[in-house]
Amino acid sequence: GESVGLHLPTLSVQEGDNSIINCAYSNSASDYFIWYKQESGKGPQFIIDIRSNMDKRQGQRVTALLNKTVKHLSLQIAATQPGDSAVYFCAEKRHYAGKSTFGDGTTLTVKP
Amino acid sequence: NAGVTQTPKFRVLKTGQSMTLLCAQDMNHEYMYWYRQDPGMGLRLIHYSVGEGTTAKGEVPDGYNVSRLKKQNFLLGLESAAPSQTSVYFCASSYLDTSWDEQYFGPGTRLTVT
Repeated sequence: GESVGLHLPTLSVQEGDNSIINCAYSNSASDYFIWYKQESGKGPQFIIDIRSNMDKRQGQRVTALLNKTVKHLSLQIAATQPGDSAVYFCAEKRHYAGKSTFGDGTTLTVKP
Repeated sequence: NAGVTQTPKFRVLKTGQSMTLLCAQDMNHEYMYWYRQDPGMGLRLIHYSVGEGTTAKGEVPDGYNVSRLKKQNFLLGLESAAPSQTSVYFCASSYLDTSWDEQYFGPGTRLTVT
């Protein structure tokens, strides 16, 4: 079956450093990949997305990378701040599939 | 806009009791979804709806029922609660079901079944 998974359940970085969160997926038919941020006690929030025909998508302080050859996604956060501390999920979606498949999440902790 | 709201925020049930979780969205979205999130895990889809009056099963539908009588509301029912249904439940909505359409999530309902 299809699955989306993250390599590390936790990641701890110093404030100001760059963070890299990784994700692997198994379904070659996925059209679209999404990164969500979930702060404690809240629902997931969209951060950035990347389509399957792209290998990089730049946001304000975040970059999504996609390597279809090895079915690997990354979320890079530049100059990580305490407000970035949260659980980050990757998800994959296909057109009209009716659902997204979520990975298990990486908890990012930013140390001052 | 309030976005996606969920009621209640917290609930404790005894095994065998029933309850209904309400999700409401004011964005005129066609698609609505119910997910559950267990500790340390991602979200798993329970049921979803592609429009008023329609529902469909997701990955983990057993023990749950849903109804979408009005476009803005999506109800999740537990007829006979079990401890395995202890979880945080999230509702989401989206305008379309194309792969690039963003899902907006509610704040969640924390349910404990004893």
